[in-house]
Amino acid sequence: DIQMTQSPSSLSASVGDRVTITCRSSQNINTYLNWYQQKPGKAPNLLIYAASTLQSGVPSRFSGSGSGTDFTLTISSLQPEDFATYYCQDSYTTSRTFGQGTKLETK
Amino acid sequence: QVQLQESGPGLVKPSETLSLTCTVSGGSISGHYWSWVRQSPGKGLEYIGYIYYSGSTSYNPSLKSRVTISIDTSKSRFSLKLNSVTAADTAVYYCARLGQWETFDPWGQGTLVTVSS
Repeated sequence: DIQMTQSPSSLSASVGDRVTITCRSSQNINTYLNWYQQKPGKAPNLLIYAASTLQSGVPSRFSGSGSGTDFTLTISSLQPEDFATYYCQDSYTTSRTFGQGTKLETK
Repeated sequence: QVQLQESGPGLVKPSETLSLTCTVSGGSISGHYWSWVRQSPGKGLEYIGYIYYSGSTSYNPSLKSRVTISIDTSKSRFSLKLNSVTAADTAVYYCARLGQWETFDPWGQGTLVTVSS
């Protein structure tokens, strides 16, 4: 079974900071990797698909990169509304596995 | 825009069957794939399975033996049945459209299902 491992599990940062979250898959998934943002009590919201394509309506401060087994989500300048939990998702295997999440908290 | 809404019992007894329905509004159910995802504190987000509007299905291998997803296009809704539930099936259950690049978007608001006697 594929494993999706995110790091760090939690991260403290301030408004205006540049933040990078990493997702590593246990097997090669090419660029079949999606990113979601989830706020407390809400459903996840799609941010990026195919590793680097920004979903319509998502601010350009979000970007994604990577291929194979190593991927990153970067927020170039944190805004107050960005404090949330972020998940990566394998879109290559039939199990469509999610990472365990990275909680982004205010410092 | 398309909106999804889950409905069903919030409490299910162990060994019984969990049944949920997702109603699609603001767009057509036809021509799309529709899915279920659950989220529990212990296992995080877990994909359950999908159904195409034509009725073809695919399930997560880890749950395949217990899951059935069906669709009623005339009522713009699709349903999830998970049998032989245990406390480990306690979770918030979401329905979502499964799009290109295997993306889940949009999502319903989610419904908490607790398995307890």
